[in-house]
Amino acid sequence: EVQVLESGGGLVEPGGSLRLSCAASGFTFSNYGMNWVRQAPGKGLEWVSIVSNNGGSAYYADSVKGRFTTSRDNSKNTLYLQMSSLIAEDTAVYYCVKGDHAVDSWGQGTLVTVSS
Amino acid sequence: QTVVTQEPSLTVSPGGTVTLTCASSTGAVSSAYYPNWFQQRPGQAPRALIYSTNIKYSWTPARFSGSLLGGKAALTLSGVQPEDEADYYCLLYFGGARVFGGGTKLTVL
Repeated sequence: EVQVLESGGGLVEPGGSLRLSCAASGFTFSNYGMNWVRQAPGKGLEWVSIVSNNGGSAYYADSVKGRFTTSRDNSKNTLYLQMSSLIAEDTAVYYCVKGDHAVDSWGQGTLVTVSS
Repeated sequence: QTVVTQEPSLTVSPGGTVTLTCASSTGAVSSAYYPNWFQQRPGQAPRALIYSTNIKYSWTPARFSGSLLGGKAALTLSGVQPEDEADYYCLLYFGGARVFGGGTKLTVL
């Protein structure tokens, strides 16, 4: 069974940093691109970033470009999202999602709250 | 700034048929945008329904189908069930980055 499990969320002050992790199992992690998607309270889904299967390339939404970095460790089946210069508008549930053109498996998300 | 547009809300009667659409500010949506569709019920994580325009997953109910319609991606529900009441999102591929639509709130009434 495919599973992705996010961790690392919490309360952080504006301007601060946080690193999210996503542990994957049930599939060959190194064969798939992996996404981060977020959802602010009461709002729709926002695609954040994708990293290629080998970690060689990554793409970002304009709203996070230059502040967030996505990486992966295929030896640990783990995806990361390093977030810096956080602002209130980054407050959201962050989901780890498997897939490139077929975006198919979602975790339950981890809540990030940016507030003083 | 690329914008993907969906109907904010739609209402359908049980047993009826409804089509949700997904448009791109860059022009007509084609299969090269690899449209994906997702369902999200209140308090739950999204669930994938369709990928690459019209390909269903093993768990996707047969009443859901995807297509291209009039320059947009489309999700059609035929024989709507009460449990189909949910938010629906499309996702389009833009040569690297992806963009979600704003979502359609589907009411079954």
